[in-house]
Amino acid sequence: DIQMTQSPSSLSASVGDRVTITCRASPDIGTYVAWYQHKPGTLPKLLIYAASTLQSGVPSRFSGSGSGTDFTLTISSLQPEDVATYYCQRYSSAPFTFGPGTKVDIK
Amino acid sequence: EVQLLESGGGLVQPGGSLRLSCAASGFTLSTYAMSWVRQAPGKGLEWVSAISGSGAATYYADSVRGRFTVSRDNSKDTLYLQMNSLRAEDTALYFCARGQGRTTYFFDPWGLGTLVTVSS
Repeated sequence: DIQMTQSPSSLSASVGDRVTITCRASPDIGTYVAWYQHKPGTLPKLLIYAASTLQSGVPSRFSGSGSGTDFTLTISSLQPEDVATYYCQRYSSAPFTFGPGTKVDIK
Repeated sequence: EVQLLESGGGLVQPGGSLRLSCAASGFTLSTYAMSWVRQAPGKGLEWVSAISGSGAATYYADSVRGRFTVSRDNSKDTLYLQMNSLRAEDTALYFCARGQGRTTYFFDPWGLGTLVTVSS
């Protein structure tokens, strides 16, 4: 069964904190994962593709890592403008499924 | 500037049909895969359908296969989603999004979406 899971489903952290979101894929997808940021009322924004490649214009505090089935998105120093829901997505082959999302708030 | 503009959403009764359109500008549509992604109220992003740059390959989520049809008219720079046999659970904001290359299916940019409401 093709699945993308994320943890945690939500988190609250202080400005300046390091934040890590985990995505698990089943089955193995190599490095064919992308990460998106979605703020309410706006269009989703691509942050990272190929597991670790930063999209042009995305702040360097965002980074991605992983391969196979386990992936992480890290925000090195959380900023107020990072409040959003973050999604991973597989694109190795159809279905191009999104994870359920991780909602990030400021404590 | 690359832009995607969805249209065609609205209120439809269960069992009804709608056709969504996505007008592309600022790039050559035929050189990119395209996709539809939806977000139901209070829910996360759900991938719905995708089509290769040439239109030769199409893909669907299990939840819509057999009811939805994706197509494109590269001469008109427009992507379509024909939605038949609509159900209440199809109620969502529908985004179109551009892939990366003719057969690469991660998405940037996205349109602002068009709202589909299925209700009697």
